[in-house]
Amino acid sequence: AQKVTQAQTEISVVEKEDVTLDCVYETRDTTYYLFWYKQPPSGELVFLIRRNSFDEQNEISGRYSWNFQKSTSSFNFTITASQVVDSAVYFCALSERKIGTASKLTFGTGTRLQVTL
Amino acid sequence: GAVVSQHPSRVICKSGTSVKIECRSLDFQATTMFWYRQFPKQSLMLMATSNEGSKATYEQGVEKDKFLINHASLTLSTLTVTSAHPEDSSFYICSARKTEPRGTQYFGPGTRLLVL
Repeated sequence: AQKVTQAQTEISVVEKEDVTLDCVYETRDTTYYLFWYKQPPSGELVFLIRRNSFDEQNEISGRYSWNFQKSTSSFNFTITASQVVDSAVYFCALSERKIGTASKLTFGTGTRLQVTL
Repeated sequence: GAVVSQHPSRVICKSGTSVKIECRSLDFQATTMFWYRQFPKQSLMLMATSNEGSKATYEQGVEKDKFLINHASLTLSTLTVTSAHPEDSSFYICSARKTEPRGTQYFGPGTRLLVL
């Protein structure tokens, strides 16, 4: 069975601070996808990134960066110089990568990030 | 782009009535759509997988006769909550799976259902 753990329930930072959201996963599959989604107060989930299990290169997109460590089954997300608009709930998710499957997502419980002035 | 819409965004209904929620992929075709339910301050719970032209696949514990899903076209899936009761009040979110990047689901804005 697949499992995603986001141990940090809530994080509060002051604007311009860097913050890292942790994500640890469990799966028996050898190939899989990892995702991060952002859910602002409006409720809509916004896709941030998809990482293939065989691609361990870290990725940077503006103030966002992701650190994928297959050896420790972690896929952590760092926001540099956080802004108030980053306040949201962030979900890490995992899906299988088998051909012919529906690619169901297994979500973590989410981390609520509060960025204050 | 990958835009998914949901309608209505908010609905209040009386106990015993049925409510239909529409999910549309606006700029891509989706053979597979998903329906989730989210309670306040909790994660998303997958209810069912909707496949175009075939029956939906429901997760364990989800009543298929209560939550009717129809995926009539490559851009539209509907969820009907039949004989709604107050315990069905929740935030319902749909997603549509795009071919590329493979496996990625794009989510609609959600529908808040309140059953009185």
